Amino acid sequence: DGGITQSPKYLFRKEGQNVTLSCEQNLNHDAMYWYRQDPGQGLRLIYYSQIVNDFQKGDIAEGYSVSREKKESFPLTVTSAQKNPTAFYLCASSPGGSSDTQYFGPGTRLTVL
Amino acid sequence: AQSVSQHNHHVILSEAASLELGCNYSYGGTVNLFWYVQYPGQHLQLLLKYFSGDPLVKGIKGFEAEFIKSKFSFNLRKPSVQWSDTAEYFCAVYTGGYQKVTFGTGTKLQVIP
Repeated sequence: DGGITQSPKYLFRKEGQNVTLSCEQNLNHDAMYWYRQDPGQGLRLIYYSQIVNDFQKGDIAEGYSVSREKKESFPLTVTSAQKNPTAFYLCASSPGGSSDTQYFGPGTRLTVL
Repeated sequence: AQSVSQHNHHVILSEAASLELGCNYSYGGTVNLFWYVQYPGQHLQLLLKYFSGDPLVKGIKGFEAEFIKSKFSFNLRKPSVQWSDTAEYFCAVYTGGYQKVTFGTGTKLQVIP
């Protein structure tokens, strides 16, 4: 089955630790995205990548980092600099860039204790 | 900066009632418009989209939306809701000027049998 996988589904970390969230897609899409979803705030764009080895900051990139070494993978690292990291993180991909339909993964709920 | 407003945060309807969810955006140029839906426990998925042409677009499960350029609106409608329509609905707008998608804050729809 084609789709986007995110792992793990739930993640717990101690304050001050960096944590990396995985996102893999087998849809052969060029573009990939990371969003943060908080109650009442919708989805806010963290980072996006239109092509391998290139990525841009979204609206709330501070305290996060990404890499795009392979077309199918777009991991997100939540660093200790992120002031409020507890949230639900969604990864998405699209075939034709930001103007096109996005396909979402199941999400990772990160809780920082 | 572009913005997307969904004025209804939580809507409760009885089955068979008609639904209209509002979506307004701030950008005056060319836009691509989307409605996404997140059913309980499921991935966020596309409900319908407008890129060009007929401003009345039809999506899955009997939903439709009308693009009114003069009002910067893309309201979602369904003539008769079902219990299975209980979900959170997100409006999203892509603008060429900003070259990224902005999501609204979402509307939680609860349909009572």
